[in-house]
Amino acid sequence: DVKVTQSSRYLVKRTGEKVFLECVQDMDHENMFWYRQDPGLGLRLIYFSYDVKMKEKGDIPEGYSVSREKKERFSLILESASTNQTSMYLCASRLLQRQGYSNQPQHFGDGTRLSIL
Amino acid sequence: AQKITQTQPGMFVQEKEAVTLDCTYDTSDPSYGLFWYKQPSSGEMIFLIYQGSYDQQNATEGRYSLNFQKARKSANLVISASQLGDSAMYFCAMREEQTGANNLFFGTGTRLTVIP
Repeated sequence: DVKVTQSSRYLVKRTGEKVFLECVQDMDHENMFWYRQDPGLGLRLIYFSYDVKMKEKGDIPEGYSVSREKKERFSLILESASTNQTSMYLCASRLLQRQGYSNQPQHFGDGTRLSIL
Repeated sequence: AQKITQTQPGMFVQEKEAVTLDCTYDTSDPSYGLFWYKQPSSGEMIFLIYQGSYDQQNATEGRYSLNFQKARKSANLVISASQLGDSAMYFCAMREEQTGANNLFFGTGTRLTVIP
């Protein structure tokens, strides 16, 4: 089974702090993703990474950055946390399918509930 | 325009009955994939079932089946013989193969409550 591990289930930080959310997967997946989930809005993509040191902006990248120095680890960084970044953050990984349809699902971690005070 | 629309914020079903959760999608990509995920109150997203746009048959996985109507752009999830453990949020998602093959577009979800 694929295991995606997020470093914290719950996190409380203060406005203006630099916040790191860590995600590790154990299946050698090329693709990794960061989403935030808010009631009534579903999941929205913040950033994703094709492979090590490669990243692409998603739909809502403002106020965030990411780092992928090793294949198994994808970090989300809130440069200067603000109260509107209080949310549930979900990390996912996916195997890159090189032939045929990409029916490989994304596998998710348990999520981090982040509160910015 | 929303790529994935789930019009049912909440649904109730009696235990052991079947329930259909609606999902419609919008894409001009001829090749795409549709996914359903379950999210219990604990928060993790659990992959349930996949349907490819060129699949001839509706996907099935145990008690889950996907009612895929391509012309209507709908991909409804059918859960048969509901169990109390099925109570959760359910999300429909789509991947467009040619235009963004790596990320998923999610709907806003449907909260299913199974009544004993």
